[in-house]
Amino acid sequence: QLQLQESGPGLVKPSETLSLTCTVSGGSISSSTYYWGWIRQPPGKGLEWIGSINNGGRTYYNLSLKSRVTMSVDTSNNQFSLKVSSVTAADTAVYYCARSFSARFTFYTDPWGQGTLVTVSS
Amino acid sequence: QSVLTQPPSASGTPGQRVTISCSGSSSNIGSNTVNWYQQLPGTAPKLLIYSNNQRPSGVPDRFSGSKSGTSASLAISGLQSEDEADYYCAAWDDSLNGLYVFGTGTKVTVL
Repeated sequence: QLQLQESGPGLVKPSETLSLTCTVSGGSISSSTYYWGWIRQPPGKGLEWIGSINNGGRTYYNLSLKSRVTMSVDTSNNQFSLKVSSVTAADTAVYYCARSFSARFTFYTDPWGQGTLVTVSS
Repeated sequence: QSVLTQPPSASGTPGQRVTISCSGSSSNIGSNTVNWYQQLPGTAPKLLIYSNNQRPSGVPDRFSGSKSGTSASLAISGLQSEDEADYYCAAWDDSLNGLYVFGTGTKVTVL
């Protein structure tokens, strides 16, 4: 059973870079069938897709964040990572990592990690 | 930034049927399949329906999805207390470079 676990600092200062890692267990991140991505949810609000990456480095980013977002894959450690630069309080959210399936006309995310709260504050 | 519109709330008594709508556009629901997620309080979202009407293994057949044009619906029949949760629709949007868009979310309350 595939499982994903987010890790990283829970507190980031404004203007700094948020960095998170997702460790995948129970399956290989090297599978060409899937994308690996990030979704966030501000406290009390809805879901926002940040972007996805495949093991070949092909990326899709939400354009509202694209200039500040970098994603990467580390197949040797079965992990993938997210960096968001120049953070503000608006980036405070629970960040989820997830596996995505992509095919013509179809895209969905399953499973998800448990999520990690990142607070942006000085 | 949600481009898929859902009613903020829905409710029903145990055993009733509840339906949640999701309205989009030609670039998302009109062009691609729709998924639904269930988020129980304090937990991560869970895939409930994918590709308009497919249930992942383990999801009860009380949950069903449908799509018509640029709208989709999730139906919960035989409502149970454990169904009290937030529900989100989602679909790929072909505009610009492409992005995955979520609905505004619907809170389902079991009366």
